[in-house]
Amino acid sequence: EPEVTQTPSHQVTQMGQEVILRCVPISNHLYFYWYRQILGQKVEFLVSFYNNEISEKSEIFDDQFSVERPDGSNFTLKIRSTKLEDSAMYFCASGYNSPLHFGNGTRLTVT
Amino acid sequence: AQSVTQLDSHVSVSEGTPVLLRCNYSSSYSPSLFWYVQHPNKGLQLLLKYTSAATLVKGINGFEAEFKKSETSFHLTKPSAHMSDAAEYFCVVSFSNTGNQFYFGTGTSLTVIP
Repeated sequence: EPEVTQTPSHQVTQMGQEVILRCVPISNHLYFYWYRQILGQKVEFLVSFYNNEISEKSEIFDDQFSVERPDGSNFTLKIRSTKLEDSAMYFCASGYNSPLHFGNGTRLTVT
Repeated sequence: AQSVTQLDSHVSVSEGTPVLLRCNYSSSYSPSLFWYVQHPNKGLQLLLKYTSAATLVKGINGFEAEFKKSETSFHLTKPSAHMSDAAEYFCVVSFSNTGNQFYFGTGTSLTVIP
């Protein structure tokens, strides 16, 4: 069964550095999402992406965040200048007429 | 406002006893409802979904859920808990007016006591 893949599985970065989290959604899916889960807390919606543009974003998704689908297969989340509070598990998901299919996540640790 | 509520943040059951994890939603629009499971340090795996067909939905690992429109509920059940069921469970909902926006419950942590 096709699956959503995320790389890397774990990323450690220093505060203020830029990070790019990568995702390969399921190939025939049209909707793409990023969620995050701070340790011990609930899953939070960041952004959804459709037809090569952001369709919805949460208040968490400020100017430090951006998303791209650079080559028709990858879907990336960039955090421009990381903060300690960005440490979390980041999940990519894709969908087509539901349900969502999730990747295994990237654990981001900001030191 | 549309929302989804998981009534219990933690549920603890003995192995071999039934499991009930509760989920309610709030909306005047038709819902699509999903249960996901997250094992420690893993991603979210779809357990089952309701998208307007049979109201009693069977999923993987012996789980099932029943959509009750009158109660705006979609509770997850399993007749007999297994140790491997210990995980975090998320109820997720989308609505017909915002089809590709998904609302997450806050999660229920299930502990299974041997």
